[in-house]
Amino acid sequence: GAGVSQTPSNKVTEKGKYVELRCDPISGHTALYWYRQSLGQGPEFLIYFQGTGAADDSGLPNDRFFAVRPEGSVSTLKIQRTERGDSAVYLCASSLAGGVDGTEAFFGQGTRLTVV
Amino acid sequence: GDSVTQMEGPVTLSEEAFLTINCTYTATGYPSLFWYVQYPGEGLQLLLKATKADDKGSNKGFEATYRKETTSFHLEKGSVQVSDSAVYFCALSSPEYGNKLVFGAGTILRVKS
Repeated sequence: GAGVSQTPSNKVTEKGKYVELRCDPISGHTALYWYRQSLGQGPEFLIYFQGTGAADDSGLPNDRFFAVRPEGSVSTLKIQRTERGDSAVYLCASSLAGGVDGTEAFFGQGTRLTVV
Repeated sequence: GDSVTQMEGPVTLSEEAFLTINCTYTATGYPSLFWYVQYPGEGLQLLLKATKADDKGSNKGFEATYRKETTSFHLEKGSVQVSDSAVYFCALSSPEYGNKLVFGAGTILRVKS
């Protein structure tokens, strides 16, 4: 596709439920990032994939959060036992490579998750 | 850890006014610096960047200079337009950390006609 695609654009779920958020990066981009943006704040890093492997998952807040990228393209962010504090916009970004100085990251429009 | 601090908003200006949005950073190495912009209803997009000290990034009339001595990357535009109304984010990244971005909190800019 032309840009980074995230689905769904909006997700409302009940506290305690499991959710999956999908990211389809730009074709050929080997680096993929997940960020979380709370209202009035800048995006905060969650996890970075280089190819299929998670190169840095230091931003995941706890073990309820998990992400995969099994074929090095589409990625899924999974949240178990959702809590109201998980409500935020989840952003995905991709770039050509993760280790090149100044590489531009391209962002999707995000998934707005609301836990009620 | 690395961090970015930027000017609080909202900033409200009249059309054709001069814009400055301040941004300072803390980093252990020599990061690349970015300004990203989020227009209403759209995703984050790169506005400009600089990869080393004294570099100037520029795009769409906006400029920012990488100042290592003051650890700053202030965004400027000589004459703003209504269409510049958006949220502006200063950010840094380092290749040794996979280029993950560290963002400031964002500054809302409102331009009145």
